[in-house]
Amino acid sequence: EDQVTQSPEALRLQEGESSSLNCSYTVSGLRGLFWYRQDPGKGPEFLFTLYSAGEEKEKERLKATLTKKESFLHITAPKPEDSATYLCAVLFNYGQNFVFGPGTRLSVLP
Amino acid sequence: GAGVSQTPSNKVTEKGKYVELRCDPISGHTALYWYRQSLGQGPEFLIYFQGTGAADDSGLPNDRFFAVRPEGSVSTLKIQRTERGDSAVYLCASSLAGAGADTQYFGPGTRLTVL
Repeated sequence: EDQVTQSPEALRLQEGESSSLNCSYTVSGLRGLFWYRQDPGKGPEFLFTLYSAGEEKEKERLKATLTKKESFLHITAPKPEDSATYLCAVLFNYGQNFVFGPGTRLSVLP
Repeated sequence: GAGVSQTPSNKVTEKGKYVELRCDPISGHTALYWYRQSLGQGPEFLIYFQGTGAADDSGLPNDRFFAVRPEGSVSTLKIQRTERGDSAVYLCASSLAGAGADTQYFGPGTRLTVL
């Protein structure tokens, strides 16, 4: 069964302390991998789409990378406003729907 | 409005009742998705519309769940004989073309509580 997992489940960082979040997938064919940010009580907000191994995307303090079996969301010098749940979602070759991971809850302390 | 809107924002109902949840997608978006999100979990796919037709309804958990999009814009998710296990946040998303070709934009969700 194709699955999407994320680690860690929760992460607490001090402001300015860089780190990475992981999204791993077991899949027979990947069409795209998507990163979202979700704040409490709101819907997910799109961050990045990655389509092929080796691809990288950047936006402000965030950089997403993709390999054949996992993706990383690197957060450089985070600020408290980066606190949120970060979700990854995979679109598989055989389907038209997205499979989301359970998310990583990030807390950045001032 | 510029974004996806969902109504109501909160719905409390009793076990066994019927509920309807509404989604207004971004104007011009042909693809519309419904998801269900339980506390601490990622969104779980329910159904995907391309225009007026359900292109993929494989995520609907059982025949108590049904969704329509009669004019290719607004969609309604209908749940019959609600059960306590149906309690969750129901999210709607739309995209320009669908099938992963475009970014999905999510609404704020409807929090459904079944007592």
